[in-house]
Amino acid sequence: GESVGLHLPTLSVQEGDNSIINCAYSNSASDYFIWYKQESGKGPQFIIDIRSNMDKRQGQRVTVLLNKTVKHLSLQIAATQPGDSAVYFCAENPPYNNNDMRFGAGTRLTVKP
Amino acid sequence: NAGVMQNPRHLVRRRGQEARLRCSPMKGHSHVYWYRQLPEEGLKFMVYLQKENIIDESGMPKERFSAEFPKEGPSILRIQQVVRGDSAAYFCASSEDGGNTIYFGEGSWLTVV
Repeated sequence: GESVGLHLPTLSVQEGDNSIINCAYSNSASDYFIWYKQESGKGPQFIIDIRSNMDKRQGQRVTVLLNKTVKHLSLQIAATQPGDSAVYFCAENPPYNNNDMRFGAGTRLTVKP
Repeated sequence: NAGVMQNPRHLVRRRGQEARLRCSPMKGHSHVYWYRQLPEEGLKFMVYLQKENIIDESGMPKERFSAEFPKEGPSILRIQQVVRGDSAAYFCASSEDGGNTIYFGEGSWLTVV
C-alpha cells in the first residue's frame, strides 16, 4: 500500500558502527529486489540488487539479505560513514509486471560522528 | 557516460499554468519511467514509456497529466492547470531492457504557488 503523510522511519548510528536497514515487501511472487540510496535533493542511486534465487549478496561495504519466507529484505552497511547518511528505499519487482517496481516508504539513516 | 538527465531541476508555476518536465534517458536506454515523490514519502510510479509508446500509465492522474516519449528528443511529462497539490519532486528513470535495474535522474522539483 501507499505511505500517505507518514514520517519516514529513522535509524541513527555512530560512525564506524554497522547499520541494518529493514524492509518488508508485499508480493511473495516478486523475483527481483533493489536497494536505493537517496541523498537530500538528489535522485535515488542504485546500491545493490538481489534475485529471488539468492538469499544473500555482498557488495562493497554493503550486504543484502533476502528472507522469502517472511518477505523481508535487509541492507547491512559495514563501518558506517557520515556519507552514508541518506534515505534508503527497497524496491520489489513482481514477475508479472516489469513496469511496476514498487518502492517501500524508505528509512532515513543518520550517522553521528 | 552521462546518466539520466532531467530539466529543469527546479520549476515554479502559478496555479493554472502548465508545467513541462523533460527527461533524457541514459545512452542506450529506450525505456523511461516517471515517478512522483512528496516530501518525506516514497516514490510513486506514474507512467512507463518506450519510444513513441505509452506502455503503462496506471499511476497517472486521469486529468491534467500526460507523458510522451517521441522518436527524437526527450521524454516529457506535462501537467496542465497546475494546482498546489502538484508540488512535488518528479523523477525520471530509464532502463535498457525494461525489466531490470532502473537508473534515476536527479529530479525536477515543481513548486506551485
